[in-house]
Amino acid sequence: GAVVSQHPSWVICKSGTSVKIECRSLDFQATTMFWYRQFPKQSLMLMATSNEGSKATYEQGVEKDKFLINHASLTLSTLTVTSAHPEDSSFYICSARRAGTGSSPLHFGNGTRLTVT
Amino acid sequence: DAKTTQPNSMESNEEEPVHLPCNHSTISGTDYIHWYRQLPSQGPEYVIHGLTSNVNNRMASLAIAEDRKSSTLILHRATLRDAAVYYCILRDAIETSGSRLTFGEGTQLTVNP
Repeated sequence: GAVVSQHPSWVICKSGTSVKIECRSLDFQATTMFWYRQFPKQSLMLMATSNEGSKATYEQGVEKDKFLINHASLTLSTLTVTSAHPEDSSFYICSARRAGTGSSPLHFGNGTRLTVT
Repeated sequence: DAKTTQPNSMESNEEEPVHLPCNHSTISGTDYIHWYRQLPSQGPEYVIHGLTSNVNNRMASLAIAEDRKSSTLILHRATLRDAAVYYCILRDAIETSGSRLTFGEGTQLTVNP
């Protein structure tokens, strides 16, 4: 079946540094990828929607200069948390959507646990 | 986005059936009903989806009300590994590049041994 690979699965970084998270669709072309953030005991919160070859669309309240998203190819999207602070510590999850319709399942990465010290 | 509402939590015993409800009273005619579940510290995984007719797969069954304003995910024999948060979401059949995908709070399913 279709697989979305997210890397790294966990990362610890110091405050002020930047962290890059990769999301790859392994056996299909993902025209759209979604990035979510999830705090403990809460639901997934959509951060941004990225379409291949164009700028990401960010949700209200999400700083685009802080959370840089690049979707340069149909199989890879990256989220860079710039100048990370402890409040950015969270579980980040990507999801890839095949080109097509809402009748096809969504595929999710296994998430990245970011801890900023 | 069409909104869905689910109970915050449900409890079941192992090897018994579980019926997880979802209300989506503002569903449009082209919305598919999708179910995903999320185990602790993992990304969500696809469970099942449907449009109008009931659906069965190896994981679960999906019962869709005739007016499509509600649906029920059925786990026929719950196991301890089914303990997860279950999300019901709606996806338009014709998604554009700008279509957002948001999640509600989901239902935390606890399975007792």
